[in-house]
Amino acid sequence: DGGITQSPKYLFRKEGQNVTLSCEQNLNHDAMYWYRQDPGQGLRLIYYSQIVNDFQKGDIAEGYSVSREKKESFPLTVTSAQKNPTAFYLCASSETRTGRIGDSPLHFGNGTRLTVT
Amino acid sequence: AQSVAQPEDQVNVAEGNPLTVKCTYSVSGNPYLFWYVQYPNRGLQFLLKYITGDNLVKGSYGFEAEFNKSQTSFHLKKPSALVSDSALYFCAVRDRRAGANNLFFGTGTRLTVIP
Repeated sequence: DGGITQSPKYLFRKEGQNVTLSCEQNLNHDAMYWYRQDPGQGLRLIYYSQIVNDFQKGDIAEGYSVSREKKESFPLTVTSAQKNPTAFYLCASSETRTGRIGDSPLHFGNGTRLTVT
Repeated sequence: AQSVAQPEDQVNVAEGNPLTVKCTYSVSGNPYLFWYVQYPNRGLQFLLKYITGDNLVKGSYGFEAEFNKSQTSFHLKKPSALVSDSALYFCAVRDRRAGANNLFFGTGTRLTVIP
């Protein structure tokens, strides 16, 4: 079955450490996204990538970094500069047509819950 | 600026009764509109979308949504609620204009269907 795999499901880190969240998709989608979900705040976009080797900052990119070296993979690093990293992180992908996302829905992974103490 | 409002944090409905989850939006022009559902500790699942044409859109699991341009609303509905419909529901909007790729989400509405 095609889908998006996020690993690990739960992640615990000490404050001051960088941590990388994995996201892999086998849907052959060009576009991939990282969202952060906090209670009562909905989903906020961290980074997105429409094509390999290219990515754009979202609304809350500070303290995060990404890479897109392969179409299937879009790892997110939460750096020590992120002030409040404890959250539920969701990776998603979507089709593009002529380089535009348009009405394509997002397909989501099952998330990684990061706890930093 | 684009924004999505879900005015109710919580909606309770008895099993078998009709349900409505409200969504209003603010965006230039005609947006693409989406509904997603999230079960505990899972990602979001796509339910339905409005592109153009008929204002009543049918989606997965018996859900439908009504687009109202004059009221800038896109309310999610179901004629008869099931206990298994209990979940967190998100409305989302994307601008149609070229270069607009971000999907803006509302803050979510928790639906509880009471047996």
